[in-house]
Amino acid sequence: AIQLTQSPSSLSASVGDRVTMTCRASQGINSALVWYQQKPGKPPKVLIYSASTLEDGVPSRFSGRGSGTDFTLTISSLQPEDFATYYCQQFNLYPHLTFGGGTRVEIK
Amino acid sequence: EVQLVQSGAEVKKPGAAVKISCKASGYTFTDFHMHWVLQAPGKGLEWMGLVHPRDGDTRYAENFQGRVTITADTSTDTAYMELSGLRSEDTAIYYCATSLGGAQWLTTWGQGTLVTVSS
Repeated sequence: AIQLTQSPSSLSASVGDRVTMTCRASQGINSALVWYQQKPGKPPKVLIYSASTLEDGVPSRFSGRGSGTDFTLTISSLQPEDFATYYCQQFNLYPHLTFGGGTRVEIK
Repeated sequence: EVQLVQSGAEVKKPGAAVKISCKASGYTFTDFHMHWVLQAPGKGLEWMGLVHPRDGDTRYAENFQGRVTITADTSTDTAYMELSGLRSEDTAIYYCATSLGGAQWLTTWGQGTLVTVSS
C-alpha cells in the first residue's frame, strides 16, 4: 500500500506569510495527488488535483507542484480564512485511496 | 445543486453494529462511485471503501475488510455503510463522498455522521 507522509504536522504563520508544506509518497505516484483543506467541523474541500491543477473557485494564492514521490502545496500570501488543516491524497491506485496525516496551519 | 445528506449521530455499545445512510441528490446517482471515509477525533482521514451504485461493485480498505459493508439503493439514491464489531477506537465521524465527473478523488462530501462507541 502507498503511504503518504506530510510535513510539518503543524506550523504557525502570520497573515501575509508564504507557506509551503510537503507530501511524500512511499513509491512513485506520477501526478496522482490531490490537496484538500479542512476547517473544524466541516468536511474536506478540494483545492488542487492532479498535483498542480487548481480546482474551480479556489483562490490563485494556492499552488501545487511535484510528481513521482515529492509534492508541495504553497500558499503565497496566507489569509485569515486559510487557517485550517491540509491533507494530501493519492489516487494512483484508484479506487484504493490513501491520505496523508495532515498539516495544521495555525495563527502565529 | 449536488448534495449528500447523511443520517444522524449514533451511540453504540462495543460489539454492536452501526448502519449510516447517505442520500444523494442533484446528479445521476448510478454514474459515480460513492466512498466512505472516517476521521477519529482530532485525527486524520482514512478511506474505508466504496460502492459503484450501478452494479453494486464494492472495494474495501484492508483495515476494514470483513467488518464493513457498503451498499447502494438505486430506488432511493441512497448509499449505506455498515460497520460491525464496534470497538471504542471506531468512535469517529464517518463521511460519504462521491467522485463526480469521473474524478479519482472526492469532489463532494456529506456533512458527516458522528458515531460514538461507549459502554
